Amino acid sequence: SYELTQPPSVSVSPGQTASITCSGDKLRDKYVAWYHHKPGQSPLLVIYQDAKRPSGIPERVSGSNSGNTATLTITGTQAMDEGDYYCQTWVSRTGVFGGGTKLTVL
Amino acid sequence: EVQLLESGGGLVRPGGSLRLSCAASGFTFSDCAMTWVRQSPGKGLEWVSTINGITGSTFYSDSVRGRFTISRDNSKNTLSLQMDSLRAEDSATYHCAKDRLGNWNDGDAFDFWGPGTMVTVSP
Repeated sequence: SYELTQPPSVSVSPGQTASITCSGDKLRDKYVAWYHHKPGQSPLLVIYQDAKRPSGIPERVSGSNSGNTATLTITGTQAMDEGDYYCQTWVSRTGVFGGGTKLTVL
Repeated sequence: EVQLLESGGGLVRPGGSLRLSCAASGFTFSDCAMTWVRQSPGKGLEWVSTINGITGSTFYSDSVRGRFTISRDNSKNTLSLQMDSLRAEDSATYHCAKDRLGNWNDGDAFDFWGPGTMVTVSP
């Protein structure tokens, strides 16, 4: 079965840039979405179709997808950006999530 | 404002059944595909099933196909998940989510989520 691989954790200092990767075979040929999940809250869509931002998501959040890796980039990281981030794609009409990355803002 | 509220979770014995519901409001329900996603304790998100809004076509993960049935009642703005032959590994918080699209395509994503309802499968 298809797998999306994410680093378990990423740490960043406030104001710096955080990059979270998501790797999968020929991922460039698929659309990738990203979700932010804080404890006790519902997951929030932050990027869809590789690089599009839903309404209300700030411009400092961006996405890219090239080769076998999709990347979520958060510039000017703030404490509110902490939480778990999941990438997601579709394979043969089946949804696939990455294992999630815990972002810590130190 | 889009609102999704799940109900129907609880404790059930292995092999038992449970029916989850999701009440939707704040958008034209029949125009949107809807999805169930679950999260087991300490684990990540897992896609369970999607149902198209317009065609009603359904899609299932391999882990639940043949045991779970997704359905919708567009007249009541309600999404359901009938779960049969439950296993311990089905224990999770189940979220319903609104899809961006009316009918699934590979650019689909889940733009609003409910808080979830917890299902525990235990003897």
